[in-house]
Amino acid sequence: AQSVAQPEDQVNVAEGNPLTVKCTYSVSGNPYLFWYVQYPNRGLQFLLKYITGDNLVKGSYGFEAEFNKSQTSFHLKKPSALVSDSALYFCAVREGGGSQGNLIFGKGTKLSVKP
Amino acid sequence: NAGVTQTPKFQVLKTGQSMTLQCAQDMNHEYMSWYRQDPGMGLRLIHYSVGAGITDQGEVPNGYNVSRSTTEDFPLRLLSAAPSQTSVYFCASSYSRQALDHYGYTFGSGTRLTVV
Repeated sequence: AQSVAQPEDQVNVAEGNPLTVKCTYSVSGNPYLFWYVQYPNRGLQFLLKYITGDNLVKGSYGFEAEFNKSQTSFHLKKPSALVSDSALYFCAVREGGGSQGNLIFGKGTKLSVKP
Repeated sequence: NAGVTQTPKFQVLKTGQSMTLQCAQDMNHEYMSWYRQDPGMGLRLIHYSVGAGITDQGEVPNGYNVSRSTTEDFPLRLLSAAPSQTSVYFCASSYSRQALDHYGYTFGSGTRLTVV
């Protein structure tokens, strides 16, 4: 069975500092990995994906994520955090390679960026 | 272009009542899903549809019913509401399951449901 874990309920960062939001996954085949962001009282928005290729993928709003197959991780990163990055971040996974598996979301990590 | 529209935005039900959460999209998306969001549990898939006339169960389907008579609409029915169904419900769509992998879901703004 596929699963995804976000070990931190909340991450606090000072504006201008780098940020990392952690995600680990478990699938039996090739993972398709995603990050979504949710601002207050809004639906989720797609940030970025890893399907295949380069382990470092770039997405919207200056975010990037690094796929690490040996550690089964897909951490979200940004070199310099903004106060406007404060939101709830969800990692998601599904088994790729032709599988019809559904998208499984993590529990979410609240990112708080202070001025 | 309205995207994914969910109605109502807020609803309070009494235990045992039934109701339908509406979801409509105007993007000609074939793939549509319903999720519920609970604190500390993330999003869990209730039902999904790969096209008109085709629906299937997700992770937590009990107590919910769906139909897909048109491409645009994907209503979620609560048959007999229970306090455990208090949650925020999101409808999401994508052009196809394959497109979902490359472009992600488009989410509605959600329906906050309280069952008392």
